[in-house]
Amino acid sequence: QIALKESGPTLVKTTETLTLTCSFSGFSLSSRGMGVGWIRQPPGKALEWLALIYWDDDKRYSPSLRSRVAVTKDTSKNQVVLTLTNMGPVDTATYYCAHRPGAGTWFDYWGQGTLVTVSS
Amino acid sequence: QSVLTQPPSVSGAPGQRVTISCTGSSSNIGAGYDVHWYQQLPGTAPKLLIYFNNNRPSGVPDRFSGSKSGTSASLAITGLQAEDEADYYCQSYDSSLRGVVFGGGTKLTVL
Repeated sequence: QIALKESGPTLVKTTETLTLTCSFSGFSLSSRGMGVGWIRQPPGKALEWLALIYWDDDKRYSPSLRSRVAVTKDTSKNQVVLTLTNMGPVDTATYYCAHRPGAGTWFDYWGQGTLVTVSS
Repeated sequence: QSVLTQPPSVSGAPGQRVTISCTGSSSNIGAGYDVHWYQQLPGTAPKLLIYFNNNRPSGVPDRFSGSKSGTSASLAITGLQAEDEADYYCQSYDSSLRGVVFGGGTKLTVL
């Protein structure tokens, strides 16, 4: 049974770097084709894709955030870490991590999400 | 502005049929990339509703169906129920942006 959970600070200051950890179970990120994505949702707004990391350490980033976002994985710990630099008020959002199956381009399991507020 | 365009809201009475459109372009849906749909109930994480354009994960009622044609896709919900009241998002891949794209979301209200 696949499960994911996001953890990290709920409040960050303007210009700081956000670091979020996605801890997962029920699959291995070393299995061919597997991926973990990060998606965020500002309050009352739409979903926005941020990043995706694959089993072979291939990484993809949203063009609009490419200069600020990075994702890494620790296969032994079953964790994926998202960093987002130079945080601003527009980055206030619920951040989700989600599992992408090896055979598809969708996200079939999602974490519960964590709300991050940016304040000066 | 989302790359995939959805109507902000749709509504229907219990038992009725509603459809939600998702309009893309030649670099995403029109290029042949698959469309997936998610349901987000208030205060919860999105849930996969339809994958590969018209496939339902286990546990999703057959009242939900998807289709795709040209540069657009649609989600249809028949026999509308009060519990279907939620936000719905389409998702695909865009070759110009080289990444995942979501629609702007559609709020379904059951009257």
